[in-house]
Amino acid sequence: DAKTTQPPSMDCAEGRAANLPCNHSTISGNEYVYWYRQIHSQGPQYIIHGLKNNETNEMASLIITEDRKSSTLILPHATLRDTAVYYCIVRAPNRDDKIIFGKGTRLHILP
Amino acid sequence: GAGVSQSPSNKVTEKGKDVELRCDPISGHTALYWYRQSLGQGLEFLIYFQGNSAPDKSGLPSDRFSAERTGGSVSTLTIQRTQQEDSAVYLCASSPNYGYTFGSGTRLTVV
Repeated sequence: DAKTTQPPSMDCAEGRAANLPCNHSTISGNEYVYWYRQIHSQGPQYIIHGLKNNETNEMASLIITEDRKSSTLILPHATLRDTAVYYCIVRAPNRDDKIIFGKGTRLHILP
Repeated sequence: GAGVSQSPSNKVTEKGKDVELRCDPISGHTALYWYRQSLGQGLEFLIYFQGNSAPDKSGLPSDRFSAERTGGSVSTLTIQRTQQEDSAVYLCASSPNYGYTFGSGTRLTVV
């Protein structure tokens, strides 16, 4: 079973910030939070990852709560091209284990 | 190449035939994963290779499915006696120690 839970779908108006939540209450101390997205008919694409500090890159920002039991992916100015399924997973680096993807959140950007 | 390459991109086969799907991971990536995604569904883990360790085959749905990874690089997923329920997009991903890079997948259609 996936170690994360996400809402099945969300809507966001174009140009607004999209905030996608993820719960990972059983996260271990050495596990990172990763976000991927899958645009229709394509393979999943890496977005961002973090351990405990907030992270930002050219695609998004990642806010991790102090207790690390949840996080939020922020797309600051959503565009129609951001319509995709967004997956949140947790994983420890250098571990010999498979990664189970949950069902993710289907984000609809509304024009 | 710069990314994970999968071939063929599309495969139509008759029920009962065997198929082979190929994955060329990013050079130097020690971990290689196979997932499949049926229409409208999430990512289903199939098998995981890490270096020279025995592969984790726990996600293979039946003994008709097998995979090998030669020389720690190229991987082949073989499906014997294909069934219509095998129709899906088969995705390969490779990873150094954290983070994945996915290929574009092979769309398998069993008719």
